Amino acid sequence: AQKITQTQPGMFVQEKEAVTLDCTYDTSDPSYGLFWYKQPSSGEMIFLIYQGSYDQQNATEGRYSLNFQKARKSANLVISASQLGDSAMYFCAMREGPMGRDDKIIFGKGTRLHILP
Amino acid sequence: GAVVSQHPSRVICKSGTSVKIECRSLDFQATTMFWYRQFPKKSLMLMATSNEGSKATYEQGVEKDKFLINHASLTLSTLTVTSAHPEDSSFYICSATRGSNQPQHFGDGTRLSIL
Repeated sequence: AQKITQTQPGMFVQEKEAVTLDCTYDTSDPSYGLFWYKQPSSGEMIFLIYQGSYDQQNATEGRYSLNFQKARKSANLVISASQLGDSAMYFCAMREGPMGRDDKIIFGKGTRLHILP
Repeated sequence: GAVVSQHPSRVICKSGTSVKIECRSLDFQATTMFWYRQFPKKSLMLMATSNEGSKATYEQGVEKDKFLINHASLTLSTLTVTSAHPEDSSFYICSATRGSNQPQHFGDGTRLSIL
């Protein structure tokens, strides 16, 4: 079974609209971390936001926020007021286990976001 | 902060050549570095985890004699693709982390093309 599922292979959104990128995860470990990365067409991976499994509040970083619903095992990324520069591939990722045991992260298959002018 | 430099950004070489890719953390000490491979329009596939001063841990299915990893210092890890063949052509990307529970910061990647 997939550990990280991103069900939207591609999305088209009008500029200035808010965007929600879906991510569900599967783990039996009570301690884990969730990440979102952005990969523009140039290839580099850009860290956007992090949510720990024990964090009480949803993570926010500027226009990015993570809608963390622990019971549903979902960690959707919300981008407010989308911009043309947001067009990219977005990857959801998870680190399983307590801090220090293993820093490996597992990536989802990604969602390609297209922002339309 | 947290800048990771990867070099070279692009390599084109003949079949049978060995290619070395460097990954450096420029402004922090990286306890762990990771090497990924990415096929076109696909997700990142973890190849190996590298800790300074110890042997790399390879993921299942990754040939350690083919992909040699050396993590000589807390700021440098190298990946050498030995006797590269066209099927090794891919986008290779490294990442480094300051420590546990810290995000991985990625290099800009190396596009390897074997003719």
